Amino acid sequence: DSGVTQTPKHLITATGQRVTLRCSPRSGDLSVYWYQQSLDQGLQFLIQYYNGEERAKGNILERFSAQQFPDLHSELNLSSLELGDSALYFCASSVGTGVEGTQYFGPGTRLTVL
Amino acid sequence: AQKVTQAQTEISVVEKEDVTLDCVYETRDTTYYLFWYKQPPSGELVFLIRRNSFDEQNEISGRYSWNFQKSTSSFNFTITASQVVDSAVYFCALSDGGSQGNLIFGKGTKLSVKP
Repeated sequence: DSGVTQTPKHLITATGQRVTLRCSPRSGDLSVYWYQQSLDQGLQFLIQYYNGEERAKGNILERFSAQQFPDLHSELNLSSLELGDSALYFCASSVGTGVEGTQYFGPGTRLTVL
Repeated sequence: AQKVTQAQTEISVVEKEDVTLDCVYETRDTTYYLFWYKQPPSGELVFLIRRNSFDEQNEISGRYSWNFQKSTSSFNFTITASQVVDSAVYFCALSDGGSQGNLIFGKGTKLSVKP
């Protein structure tokens, strides 16, 4: 158990809908990262937050947004969902902001868009 | 640009065999970190090791060992006396440059250990 929690574990929805994925980092970690794992793209970095502020952006679509709240939990919002958004979404957390920290991953949320 | 290549897509071995998973990386940074993660069939990503670019010492942890060679930009992972529980997808990852900590992952190597 990494100490990172993600809810829900599974999510099935229809095209055009909007969903919210939730992540709670390990105790003491200030950085939260979101990654998407799909069969064709592999594991890709989406976005990073540190202590409530956006820190880095990767291949995140404009239909996707995220935020980190004062209690440090984070939410990833996916809207106007398409079939291609079906994937496993991971949240990871680390203590600091930079490359020296080890990222510990949550169990993931499997999103299926029908 | 940073890149991680895991050329072996799938490897199948029989229990108790030794197996080496290859990882080659590209980066222009002088300071960087390399990681290995394991993804068992249950789907979670489990951290195995982190190595910084200034530490080329090999590391051994039980049946696992890692060989980091800057000269060939490789960070290979060996499992000695493999077990069925080692069956998983193994990912090598590189820290992205700059002050951000996001990871660049290879495509992964699926290891199947047969009894």
